[in-house]
Amino acid sequence: QVQLQESGPGLVKPSETLSLTCSVSGASMNDFYWSWIRQSPGKGLEWIGNILSTHYNPSYNPSLKSRVTISIDTSTNQFSLRLTSVTPADTAVYYCARRAERYFVFDFWGQGALVTVSS
Amino acid sequence: EVVMTQSPATLSVSPGESASLSCRASQSVSVNLAWYQQKPGQAPRLLIYASSTRATGIPDRFSGSGSGTEFTLTISSLQSEDFAVYYCQQYNDRPPITFGQGTRLEI
Repeated sequence: QVQLQESGPGLVKPSETLSLTCSVSGASMNDFYWSWIRQSPGKGLEWIGNILSTHYNPSYNPSLKSRVTISIDTSTNQFSLRLTSVTPADTAVYYCARRAERYFVFDFWGQGALVTVSS
Repeated sequence: EVVMTQSPATLSVSPGESASLSCRASQSVSVNLAWYQQKPGQAPRLLIYASSTRATGIPDRFSGSGSGTEFTLTISSLQSEDFAVYYCQQYNDRPPITFGQGTRLEI
């Protein structure tokens, strides 16, 4: 059974960098795309970006592209999210998810990590 | 980006009845549309992809239809566990893939 688990600080100060890691079990990371998605009351579900492997460039939401970096470490079965220069508008539940093999939909999700941006 | 609009925002239905949820795209997305169910405190769960294909383990009382800009999720014989928030997602025009704002299905 595929399982994903987000980890990282739950509180980040404005202008600082949000960092989260997703640990994956039950699936080969080399065979799938891995995504970050966030959910806030104001903007609903928002796709942040995805990555296939270290050999391919990640794809990002244009609205966040200047602030986002997604990286992957297949040796540890983890992928990560960095979001720089955060503001309170970045407060959200952040999910990591697996993109299905043939379609750009998300078949397995982590439980979500609430990140609050506040001083 | 493609804007997805769901209606109604809230739908009140009794158990045993059927419910039809609508999703409209601001431009054609062909059949590249998915539906998710989300319960409080949980991550979304994939129900339907390619407009009408049920995901693994999804009961056949869930059905999807539509193409282009108009899509419908129909849930027949509603059970208590079906009351949740439902989201549509397009993946035809990307990046970015985009989600609707959700329909709350309540008793």
